[in-house]
Amino acid sequence: DAGVIQSPRHEVTEMGQEVTLRCKPISGHNSLFWYRQTMMRGLELLIYFNNNVPIDDSGMPEDRFSAKMPNASFSTLKIQPSEPRDSAVYFCASSGTTREQFFGPGTRLTVL
Amino acid sequence: GENVEQHPSTLSVQEGDSAVIKCTYSDSASNYFPWYKQELGKRPQLIIDIRSNVGEKKDQRIAVTLNKTAKHFSLHITETQPEDSAVYFCAVPAGDDYKLSFGAGTTVTVRA
Repeated sequence: DAGVIQSPRHEVTEMGQEVTLRCKPISGHNSLFWYRQTMMRGLELLIYFNNNVPIDDSGMPEDRFSAKMPNASFSTLKIQPSEPRDSAVYFCASSGTTREQFFGPGTRLTVL
Repeated sequence: GENVEQHPSTLSVQEGDSAVIKCTYSDSASNYFPWYKQELGKRPQLIIDIRSNVGEKKDQRIAVTLNKTAKHFSLHITETQPEDSAVYFCAVPAGDDYKLSFGAGTTVTVRA
């Protein structure tokens, strides 16, 4: 089992650019979560999918953020346009029937 | 969402001593209480969890206790070792689905 896979692992971009983060959940898991982690705000849930359907996006900071899950094995989180305050580590996690969430290695985003 | 408070925010212990972290929650219907450990630069990983039908669960040097009446649960680490140094997060379910609300985290430092 490869676990949750995220790409890229590091992303450095300039303000105003579009950023796309990618996630492949564990096969068979039907829930997928996107989190953002910063020193100031801790671990924040951005959006949650169940069976590829967005259930709760109340944590998405603003319209610049969007997420999709076109199928059970792939999800994207897009930021357009990016701003320096978006700099953070973005984690994707998935869970099955046991409620345990398995986190990916994260994407460290730096917006200059 | 579910409100969860975690204390202390930082904890420094001498190697071999015990460490205790406490979390309080507000929703009396919560029935699942996990603890995650995040080492520096790594992803959060589940280390132990407890469900509401038991008051205590132990796994080698770590244990979790639950007081449903008082709505708090605690992580206990005995005989601490340098590899226990990490940030520890408690979490509680946020609603009827599979979302979790995470505490702010406790940075544990084990002094050799």
